Amino acid sequence: AQKITQTQPGMFVQEKEAVTLDCTYDTSDPSYGLFWYKQPSSGEMIFLIYQGSYDQQNATEGRYSLNFQKARKSANLVISASQLGDSAMYFCAMRGTGSYIPTFGRGTSLIVHP
Amino acid sequence: GAVVSQHPSWVICKSGTSVKIECRSLDFQATTMFWYRQFPKQSLMLMATSNEGSKATYEQGVEKDKFLINHASLTLSTLTVTSAHPEDSSFYICSADARDTSQETQYFGPGTRLLVL
Repeated sequence: AQKITQTQPGMFVQEKEAVTLDCTYDTSDPSYGLFWYKQPSSGEMIFLIYQGSYDQQNATEGRYSLNFQKARKSANLVISASQLGDSAMYFCAMRGTGSYIPTFGRGTSLIVHP
Repeated sequence: GAVVSQHPSWVICKSGTSVKIECRSLDFQATTMFWYRQFPKQSLMLMATSNEGSKATYEQGVEKDKFLINHASLTLSTLTVTSAHPEDSSFYICSADARDTSQETQYFGPGTRLLVL
């Protein structure tokens, strides 16, 4: 079974500051992938970043980076230089190679204020 | 990244009517598509997994006769909400597997907001 835990229901950050959104996971799959999605008020789920369990380096995509700590089973999303447009819900998800069914966390609402 | 379209984006219908929602992968072939339902301020709830050319696999508690899924081609899956009732009002969102990439990433459509009066 897979489980994703996002313990922060809401986060506030000032524009241009960095913010970390927490995500911990649990799985029995030896190989898996971790994902982060952004969902603005429009509802669309926007893929942000991916981390494979065997990747040696932490994933980065522009202002997004994934702080992957395998031993702690955490995959936190770091957004650098926050922008007002970053205000949205953020979902952490995982998918084991043994199961193609993804598991989503409950999400974190991020509000960026000027 | 891969593009998934969903149509319509908004639908308002009378109770008792049926509504069809289309999900298309525009620039890749999707052997598997997923249908989700999302209530306000909540996470995605997986309704069913749709595989091209075979019957959909429904999650526990989802009525297969109520939510008909057809995956007729590698680029199109449809969800039909039959005899819709006000409690079916929700945000429905599909995703498609881009499994020909190393990441096996799911790409989502923009979603459909259904309001049943």
